[in-house]
Amino acid sequence: GAGVSQSPSNKVTEKGKDVELRCDPISGHTALYWYRQSLGQGLEFLIYFQGNSAPDKSGLPSDRFSAERTGGSVSTLTIQRTQQEDSAVYLCASSPRGSQTNTGELFFGEGSRLTVL
Amino acid sequence: AQSVAQPEDQVNVAEGNPLTVKCTYSVSGNPYLFWYVQYPNRGLQFLLKYITGDNLVKGSYGFEAEFNKSQTSFHLKKPSALVSDSALYFCAVRDESSGGSYIPTFGRGTSLIVHP
Repeated sequence: GAGVSQSPSNKVTEKGKDVELRCDPISGHTALYWYRQSLGQGLEFLIYFQGNSAPDKSGLPSDRFSAERTGGSVSTLTIQRTQQEDSAVYLCASSPRGSQTNTGELFFGEGSRLTVL
Repeated sequence: AQSVAQPEDQVNVAEGNPLTVKCTYSVSGNPYLFWYVQYPNRGLQFLLKYITGDNLVKGSYGFEAEFNKSQTSFHLKKPSALVSDSALYFCAVRDESSGGSYIPTFGRGTSLIVHP
């Protein structure tokens, strides 16, 4: 079956422009996560969606970052007025359930590499 | 709060030798622990997890990890390294307690280099 799909795989943009990154999770997975991977920084949590609940936005680094998840499936991460420090790989992951009883692993996409010039 | 430490940025090992990639954690309640591997220009792939039960967990590609509660560690091991094991390895933790987060925290990653 299909895994987590992310697009675009690579995005080069100019400072100050807005960008949108898309994530299509595995069908039936209700939990969706966005992480950011910067060189030498490991994985930084950004935002978490679980079903129809309000998302956990505690990891978003600034109000230039936002994300939505339509119909409990596809998610879009938007970065407004991009800065050079936003350059990173943005990883999306999904999981069957985000409930307390879920002990399962996350399934990751291959990421969207963002370069801000 | 939950956290993970991977004290080594890089581990070098000769092919055929045993390897260990270290991970220590901190959680308020009981931990759910995970190891993932990332090959160049790819996403993370799940290797193994500890939830409860036996302290020695076996996973994909011949990897195993040992949960040590007293030392709050979950080191990744393999008896005989392969050149193809060269990759970036991430440890992750989630607190299973009722007030814990559903969001796993990842370490900074350890680059494993296996020399022929």
